Amino acid sequence: AQRVTQPEKLLSVFKGAPVELKCNYSYSGSPELFWYVQYSRQRLQLLLRHISRESIKGFTADLNKGETSFHLKKPFAQEEDSAMYYCALLHGSSNTGKLIFGQGTTLQVKP
Amino acid sequence: NAGVTQTPKFQVLKTGQSMTLQCAQDMNHNSMYWYRQDPGMGLRLIYYSASEGTTDKGEVPNGYNVSRLNKREFSLRLESAAPSQTSVYFCASTKVGSSTDTQYFGPGTRLTVL
Repeated sequence: AQRVTQPEKLLSVFKGAPVELKCNYSYSGSPELFWYVQYSRQRLQLLLRHISRESIKGFTADLNKGETSFHLKKPFAQEEDSAMYYCALLHGSSNTGKLIFGQGTTLQVKP
Repeated sequence: NAGVTQTPKFQVLKTGQSMTLQCAQDMNHNSMYWYRQDPGMGLRLIYYSASEGTTDKGEVPNGYNVSRLNKREFSLRLESAAPSQTSVYFCASTKVGSSTDTQYFGPGTRLTVL
């Protein structure tokens, strides 16, 4: 079964500290993974996708097929990074564009 | 471009009442989706429409119906609302093809069923 797991409901760090939001997936083929972010009272928006291999707002995520992980990292957290973060996996068995989301992790960056 | 729009933004219903949530996109996307967002549960897919004229069940379809009215619009109907349907509902759309785009989300509808 295709599944995405985010083990932490809440991650609280101080400003300037490194951040790592964990994401593990279950998928037998070549996964296509995304991180979405939802700031307070705003809609979900794409943060980054692994095939782009880009850094957005200082965040990066590397696909580790051996560990089936796609953790989101930032070396120095900022207060404006406080938000809900969702990891998502593109459903692979049909050409529907469906995404499977994890449970989400709330990142709280304290001053 | 307005992107993905949803109406209403807020709604309070009594148990047993019905309502329709509206969603529209102006990005010429072929696929559209309805999710519900609940604390600790993430986003769960209710229904989706891979293309105009087709709809399919997602993970949690019970108690809901959908209509893909045309390429732009995808509505979600609660025929007899229950307190368990209290949630935030998001509509999303994407262009599926040889290179599937990301999903774009609407602002959400916060529904309370008393």
